[in-house]
Formats: sequence, structure tokens, C-alpha cells
Amino acid sequence: RKEVEQDPGPFNVPEGATVAFNCTYSNSASQSFFWYRQDCRKEPKLLMSVYSSGNEDGRFTAQLNRASQYISLLIRDSKLSDSATYLCVANGENYGQNFVFGPGTRLSVLP
Amino acid sequence: DTAVSQTPKYLVTQMGNDKSIKCEQNLGHDTMYWYKQDSKKFLKIMFSYNNKELIINETVPNRFSPKSPDKAHLNLHINSLELGDSAVYFCASSQIGWPYGYTFGSGTRLTVV
Repeated sequence: RKEVEQDPGPFNVPEGATVAFNCTYSNSASQSFFWYRQDCRKEPKLLMSVYSSGNEDGRFTAQLNRASQYISLLIRDSKLSDSATYLCVANGENYGQNFVFGPGTRLSVLP
Repeated sequence: DTAVSQTPKYLVTQMGNDKSIKCEQNLGHDTMYWYKQDSKKFLKIMFSYNNKELIINETVPNRFSPKSPDKAHLNLHINSLELGDSAVYFCASSQIGWPYGYTFGSGTRLTVV
């Protein structure tokens, strides 16, 4: 089983839609979780850290469910500029600072 | 001011050659990393250095050798390049602890022909 799993998509949604991505992680000892965004042929960029109580940053909301070992990202009022690949990240086994990246979920926001 | 800079951006080379990729960060972070992103877009950690000391060395062929002359630099040297080494290599840095994530460099696209 991969350490971090995501639905690769693509998710094709119209502008203004709400879209949610889920991600599961296998290491029950993971403490640090993040969502990154990667545009085509660019480096990943930190979108949000995921707090255990859930957190919101503008149109983006992240949730953590430790019991079920999944993380979610909700994007409200999608913009064309949200089109990207969204990478779920958890710290992996053995090393606290070893962040394991999921394969990413591709989002296309259509006009 | 580029926070994490890698050079070169593109590298095309023949099989069997030796090449190096350089990385520098000006963020004052203690930890630096090399990640490989293959054609399937999986990002996998290769190495991690904390204050010039190797702390993570995943299963990577020993043709790959990282070198950290100081905590702001982490270079990657690759010997006897193979076709399967073609990928994008990302350098990253971070502070230790929560909620600090990585800051990535813009990547080096390596093509072995």
C-alpha cells in the first residue's frame, strides 16, 4: 500500500463550482500534513498546512480525520487559475521531516 | 530574491556521462532535500541533509552522491548516467518543526540520451 494515496482525477469542474479532494495516508504516526499545488512544469508550492482542528484560508478549507487517516481539501467558488495538480503530503515512516507526497489530483476549472 | 535556486534548469547529456546539479537556499533553513519527479509525476525523496549531515538516504543507486559544503548548499552529483535517470530533480529546504513545509527550487529537467 502506498504511503499517501489520492484519486489522480482529472476533476473537470465549471468556474464557480465547489470541488473536494480526499487523500489517505498509511502511517498512523504521521503528525504533519500539507496540501501543495503544482502547476504544469513548475515546482510544487505550499498551499496550506493542515491543522488537526481543520483550517480555512480564503476559498480553501482543509480537514484532517485522524481516525480514518484521511485529509481533505475543499475549494469553493473555483477560478480558472485554480487549475493545477494538488499534492497531499504527510510525514512518512521513520523520519519526522521526511515528507511523503501523494501522486496528486489534477483539477481543470473550465470557463 | 530567489529563495531556493537550482542550476542548471535543463540538462541534456549522453549515457555514461557524469553531471552535477547545484542548489542554494537563502532562507536560513537547516534542512535541505533532493526529490526526484519521474515521468509519472511521482515526487520521491532521495536525500535529506540537516546542517550538513546526511539524515535520509532512500534507496537510490550509489551513482548519486549528494554533497553539502555548508547548510545553505546541497549539490547532487550523478555518475555514469543512465536513460532511467531522466526526470525532474527538485531541491527543497525547510525549517524543522510544524507547520513548516518545504520551499522548492524550480527544478532541473535532466534528459539522458
